[in-house]
Amino acid sequence: AQSVTQLDSQVPVFEEAPVELRCNYSSSVSVYLFWYVQYPNQGLQLLLKYLSGSTLVKGINGFEAEFNKSQTSFHLRKPSVHISDTAEYFCAVSSPNTGNQFYFGTGTSLTVIP
Amino acid sequence: ETGVTQTPRHLVMGMTNKKSLKCEQHLGHNAMYWYKQSAKKPLELMFVYSLEERVENNSVPSRFSPECPNSSHLFLHLHTLQPEDSALYLCASSQEGSGANEQFFGPGTRLTVL
Repeated sequence: AQSVTQLDSQVPVFEEAPVELRCNYSSSVSVYLFWYVQYPNQGLQLLLKYLSGSTLVKGINGFEAEFNKSQTSFHLRKPSVHISDTAEYFCAVSSPNTGNQFYFGTGTSLTVIP
Repeated sequence: ETGVTQTPRHLVMGMTNKKSLKCEQHLGHNAMYWYKQSAKKPLELMFVYSLEERVENNSVPSRFSPECPNSSHLFLHLHTLQPEDSALYLCASSQEGSGANEQFFGPGTRLTVL
């Protein structure tokens, strides 16, 4: 079975500061990894995904994530956050063996402080 | 309309009511999903339809009944719900595949059961 752990439920950060949101996954097979963002009163929107190849993945809105197989992690980073980045962030994992099924973490609430 | 749409956006119902949630995707996908999102919990996959056939239901109570009349439409019929069923219900769609294809989400229906 696969699972995702998002270690921080809430992350406050000042505007223009860097941020890292942590995600660890549990899987015994090869994986695909995703980060989604959810703004208030909206559905989830894809930020970026890792399927294969380069372990550093760049996404929308200046976010990037690095796949680390040895540490089973896929942390999300942004060098300088904006007020508009305040949202809920979800990490998800799937694999070739699970078909269409995604496994989501509990989410990290990012609050950017002016 | 573009993407994935859901109606209604908000629904309040009593425990004896019968209501339906509607989802429509305009992306040409052939797989659709219902998720339940509760505070501080991972997204719970309720139902998966792939090529209009249900392939997953994850032991969801029978008071939730899905219907997928075609590849663009998905319904969730609700009857005799419980207060603990109050949550955000998200619909998603994707292209059938090996787990590498991202899921696109609608804005959700906020359900309150009194």
